[in-house]
Amino acid sequence: AQSVTQLDSQVPVFEEAPVELRCNYSSSVSVYLFWYVQYPNQGLQLLLKYLSGSTLVKGINGFEAEFNKSQTSFHLRKPSVHISDTAEYFCAVSGRDYKLSFGAGTTVTVRA
Amino acid sequence: DAGVIQSPRHEVTEMGQEVTLRCKPISGHDYLFWYRQTMMRGLELLIYFNNNVPIDDSGMPEDRFSAKMPNASFSTLKIQPSEPRDSAVYFCASSLSGRVLYEQYFGPGTRLTVT
Repeated sequence: AQSVTQLDSQVPVFEEAPVELRCNYSSSVSVYLFWYVQYPNQGLQLLLKYLSGSTLVKGINGFEAEFNKSQTSFHLRKPSVHISDTAEYFCAVSGRDYKLSFGAGTTVTVRA
Repeated sequence: DAGVIQSPRHEVTEMGQEVTLRCKPISGHDYLFWYRQTMMRGLELLIYFNNNVPIDDSGMPEDRFSAKMPNASFSTLKIQPSEPRDSAVYFCASSLSGRVLYEQYFGPGTRLTVT
């Protein structure tokens, strides 16, 4: 079985500053890793995914994440955030059974 | 495409009442997932279907919960009888064979409050 730990529950950040959201996973088999974003009162939207290949993954809205197998991490980064990036971010892991296991979420609040 | 459609968006009911949540997946998608989101437990997968057939219901909390998918364009999640601890946001998501691992499209959710 897979599990995910998001190391920060809340991340306040100023507009145009960089942000990093940390995610660690545990699994005994090959995994697929994802970051989803949830804006207030909306469903989840896929930001980016790692299935195989290059360990640096680029997603929508300027986000990127790096898969580090030795550290079992999949941290999400954005070099310069906007007010509109205020949302909750979820790291998720899946095996070949199509079942997503989500982390507890990180709330990002961007301030002017 | 209209995306995944869920109804109602909000539901308030009294303990003991039956609650039915509805989901219309994206046309052509053959996988459908039901998730529950609570503060205490986060996002949990309850059940998923492939071609209208339930594949894995190991996340369904107890017998009070049931889900059906009578056809490719409609699914229901029923709670009978409802309890206050069932209060949560319930999401439906759909996906397409071959892409189900990385393209689950979520609906806006149904916020259920059981008093």
